[in-house]
Amino acid sequence: DAGVIQSPRHEVTEMGQEVTLRCKPISGHDYLFWYRQTMMRGLELLIYFNNNVPIDDSGMPEDRFSAKMPNASFSTLKIQPSEPRDSAVYFCASSAGQGHPEYFGPGTRLLVL
Amino acid sequence: SQQGEEDPQALSIQEGENATMNCSYKTSINNLQWYRQNSGRGLVHLILIRSNEREKHSGRLRVTLDTSKKSSSLLITASRAADTASYFCATDGNDYKLSFGAGTTVTVRA
Repeated sequence: DAGVIQSPRHEVTEMGQEVTLRCKPISGHDYLFWYRQTMMRGLELLIYFNNNVPIDDSGMPEDRFSAKMPNASFSTLKIQPSEPRDSAVYFCASSAGQGHPEYFGPGTRLLVL
Repeated sequence: SQQGEEDPQALSIQEGENATMNCSYKTSINNLQWYRQNSGRGLVHLILIRSNEREKHSGRLRVTLDTSKKSSSLLITASRAADTASYFCATDGNDYKLSFGAGTTVTVRA
């Protein structure tokens, strides 16, 4: 298996623009997670899905952030409009369930100017 | 919010030495996991220990869990330059979500 795939790997955009991050989880994994990592706040869970259904989005910072999982092999995290404070590394991870490891993608490094 | 807290924040050792880092948490857990993150990369799962286990080994890694003290330790034996990374503990409780600590940065000097 290729592991969790994320795209793009790097994104530079200007404030106010829409940003879409993409994730393909490991086949057969029922759980998908979106994290954000910054030096100041560490690794934060934004939202997670079980069987394509959002279970907990309490970590989503504000309404500018939205996430979808239209099918078992694809998820998106959208920021609209983007702001400089959104600059961070965004990770997608997938898992077979509780008590199983989470497998992380390589991350998307986002810079909002 | 972070459940696990790693200690120390940073560790510098000579190649071949052992590295030990600790993790403390506040509430009861089902499992505790350790992850490694190399600079600029995603996190990589190292080892999972269940709440009813006390010790687990994987290659040069040894993890202990003391649920009475709400703490865990990760020991890396015979360290190598490739072990230079940040190490995170993560706990999960009844809500399944993993809570990650701030990490311990380990530097292995050649």
